[in-house]
Amino acid sequence: GQQVMQIPQYQHVQEGEDFTTYCNSSTTLSNIQWYKQRPGGHPVFLIQLVKSGEVKKQKRLTFQFGEAKKNSSLHITATQTTDVGTYFCAANAGNNRKLIWGLGTSLAVNP
Amino acid sequence: NAGVTQTPKFQVLKTGQSMTLQCAQDMNHNSMYWYRQDPGMGLRLIYYSASEGTTDKGEVPNGYNVSRLNKREFSLRLESAAPSQTSVYFCASSRTSGQATSYEQYFGPGTRLTVT
Repeated sequence: GQQVMQIPQYQHVQEGEDFTTYCNSSTTLSNIQWYKQRPGGHPVFLIQLVKSGEVKKQKRLTFQFGEAKKNSSLHITATQTTDVGTYFCAANAGNNRKLIWGLGTSLAVNP
Repeated sequence: NAGVTQTPKFQVLKTGQSMTLQCAQDMNHNSMYWYRQDPGMGLRLIYYSASEGTTDKGEVPNGYNVSRLNKREFSLRLESAAPSQTSVYFCASSRTSGQATSYEQYFGPGTRLTVT
């Protein structure tokens, strides 16, 4: 079936370093959504990208949707301990209204 | 607004026991979902309901049943629990999109279920 591959699976950084997680698909995506799940918590919606080449920023977070709408990235500048958690991408592809979820990238930040 | 609420928060069952996980949302959303989350497996869709009165299977429906009681409530039932159903269960809701792109999903706090 359709899949969304998310890399890396884990990332360990020192506080202040940058972090990037990538979401890749072999098929064209209709949109991409990003969620954050804190340890012990539930996924919380961060943003949705729909347009080819779209870039959106939320403070230190930058989200990009590729020109071909087959990949996306989430970049965090100067990580803080509050960024700890698992970041998931989710997308629709074709006429499938069910979201396809990536397996997530777990971010650990050393203070 | 409470958003999406789930009960219970924790549950321990013996193999073969049954139970129902309850979920309710107060955002007037048409779509509701049940996911399970296991380490390294991400979120896997069990069942979803695009509107009151309709339910559809997701990726991992075996061993589960659902009921969309009304617009607010969507319950998940385990008829005969198995150790493989040990997991964290999340309920979510969203507006229903008439297009190919989904609206964002709002998740409940989860139910941590252990089957021994």
